[in-house]
Amino acid sequence: GENVEQHPSTLSVQEGDSAVIKCTYSDSASNYFPWYKQELGKGPQLIIDIRSNVGEKKDQRIAVTLNKTAKHFSLHITETQPEDSAVYFCAASGSQSSYKLIFGSGTRLLVRP
Amino acid sequence: EAGVAQSPRYKIIEKRQSVAFWCNPISGHATLYWYQQILGQGPKLLIQFQNNGVVDDSQLPKDRFSAERLKGVDSTLKIQPAKLEDSAVYLCATGPGTGPYEQYFGPGTRLTVT
Repeated sequence: GENVEQHPSTLSVQEGDSAVIKCTYSDSASNYFPWYKQELGKGPQLIIDIRSNVGEKKDQRIAVTLNKTAKHFSLHITETQPEDSAVYFCAASGSQSSYKLIFGSGTRLLVRP
Repeated sequence: EAGVAQSPRYKIIEKRQSVAFWCNPISGHATLYWYQQILGQGPKLLIQFQNNGVVDDSQLPKDRFSAERLKGVDSTLKIQPAKLEDSAVYLCATGPGTGPYEQYFGPGTRLTVT
């Protein structure tokens, strides 16, 4: 079945360091890969997304890379700040006949000042 | 631009009672999703609407859950009767077009079933 695995489950970094979160997906037909940030008591917030025709996308301190052959994608946050502390979720679109997103289990990122 | 609105924000009910959640999408968004997020997990899709019609409800427990989207705008999700395992955050998300792209989430309703 469709599955997205996310690692690590928790990540602690010093302010200013980089953070990397990795995800793998099972459905080779997946073509859309968003990343969401969820703060306590709030809904997930879309921070960056990538489609399968692109290998990398960057937005200021955030970048996402995609390797379709290996079926994995990663989120890179550079120059981390305390306000980056949150739970991050990756997701992958389902099969081409479905509009659903399959979410990973989340990574709790803590940026230590 | 106003975001996705959900109410209530919190609800506590006893098992076997019924409960309803309401979602108002971002203006003009044709696609609306209801997700269930159990503590410590990622959101899981329950049902997806495209305008008035249901696109995917394969993971909706239809014996107790129901959802509707009136006139392609607001939506309600109902649980009747509730079970202890229904305790979760219920998230509504909307998107501007067809497909799973650019889903914007509301703040969610935290349901506790005792």
